Amino acid sequence: DGGITQSPKYLFRKEGQNVTLSCEQNLNHDAMYWYRQDPGQGLRLIYYSQIVNDFQKGDIAEGYSVSREKKESFPLTVTSAQKNPTAFYLCASSMGAGGRDEQFFGPGTRLTVL
Amino acid sequence: KNQVEQSPQSLIILEGKNCTLQCNYTVSPFSNLRWYKQDTGRGPVSLTIMTFSENTKSNGRYTATLDADTKQSSLHITASQLSDSASYICVVSERNAGNMLTFGGGTRLMVKP
Repeated sequence: DGGITQSPKYLFRKEGQNVTLSCEQNLNHDAMYWYRQDPGQGLRLIYYSQIVNDFQKGDIAEGYSVSREKKESFPLTVTSAQKNPTAFYLCASSMGAGGRDEQFFGPGTRLTVL
Repeated sequence: KNQVEQSPQSLIILEGKNCTLQCNYTVSPFSNLRWYKQDTGRGPVSLTIMTFSENTKSNGRYTATLDADTKQSSLHITASQLSDSASYICVVSERNAGNMLTFGGGTRLMVKP
């Protein structure tokens, strides 16, 4: 059963804590992405990776970190430096990094800071 | 700055009725435009993709149009169903920018019985 999965579905964090969001894909895709979605706003790119062991900052990378040690996995850490982390986080993957490569999205993780 | 603006922000229609969602963009140079459907609490799913030379593309009851000259697109939903209740997101890709996308804020559609 191919696809892209994210866990957990809901995550609660106390202020000052780091949390890590999981993203796994078995589509054999090279490129993976992390987006943040806030109500009424378009998705904003946090980080992306075009190949294993390489990643680049997106538009809103401050307060976040990622790793890409395996092709299948692209975890996102939300650090205590992120001032307003409560949001819906979406992971996506695409076969390549070209403009016509469709991005397939995971089901998302809703992070709430208490 | 690349921007994608969608209207209306929200829309309520009765089951069986048609509706049209609008998307205006400033992304240049243009590569392609996609419409995504996002159910509440889920990830977006692609409905259609249109390139510069395509004016119309259909996917079942969904029909997308593109006017690359005026930088406008629309998504027409025919004979709406309750399952069409979702957010519809317009996404534009810039040529020579890899897979970097500009997302609209979405139109939230509610179909009532």
